[in-house]
Amino acid sequence: GENVEQHPSTLSVQEGDSAVIKCTYSDSASNYFPWYKQELGKGPQLIIDIRSNVGEKKDQRIAVTLNKTAKHFSLHITETQPEDSAVYFCAASIKGGGADGLTFGKGTHLIIQP
Amino acid sequence: GAGVSQSPSNKVTEKGKDVELRCDPISGHTALYWYRQSLGQGLEFLIYFQGNSAPDKSGLPSDRFSAERTGGSVSTLTIQRTQQEDSAVYLCASSLVEVAEAFFGQGTRLTVV
Repeated sequence: GENVEQHPSTLSVQEGDSAVIKCTYSDSASNYFPWYKQELGKGPQLIIDIRSNVGEKKDQRIAVTLNKTAKHFSLHITETQPEDSAVYFCAASIKGGGADGLTFGKGTHLIIQP
Repeated sequence: GAGVSQSPSNKVTEKGKDVELRCDPISGHTALYWYRQSLGQGLEFLIYFQGNSAPDKSGLPSDRFSAERTGGSVSTLTIQRTQQEDSAVYLCASSLVEVAEAFFGQGTRLTVV
């Protein structure tokens, strides 16, 4: 089955700096890669996703890049703000939207230092 | 409601008791998923429903776990004879169709004592 590795497990950055979280996946058939943000006591919230027919997608301060050859994808957050502090999860899916279940990484605890 | 609703939000039960967790998906969403999140861990996929059917139940951790969905809407996850290792947050998600983005509820925190 699919295996998703996520790094780092904890990331501390100064407010205003950029943060990058990286994930690798094992199954070349995976074609959908969402990123979720989870705040304490809440369910994961979809923040951005990318499908395998594109290499990069951007939404304001958040961008995701995908390298299908290397089987890795990354989340980039620019101009970080205190409200960006949360746990971020990457995930991969073969059928493209979760029909077979998303395989998640173990999460990155992002800490924004004021 | 506007989002996925789960109940109860917290459940403490004694070892050996049965528990039932409920999920109300977003109205009109045909696909529904259950995940389990253990402390400090990622999300473990349990089961997927398309309509009322679950094509693959192999993700359920043991035969003590079962799930059903009725009327293409509400789903229940039942855990029989609970064990301490069942303690976790159980998350439900739904999507419009099986190839669309999945939206999560706030989860049910289950504690088995």
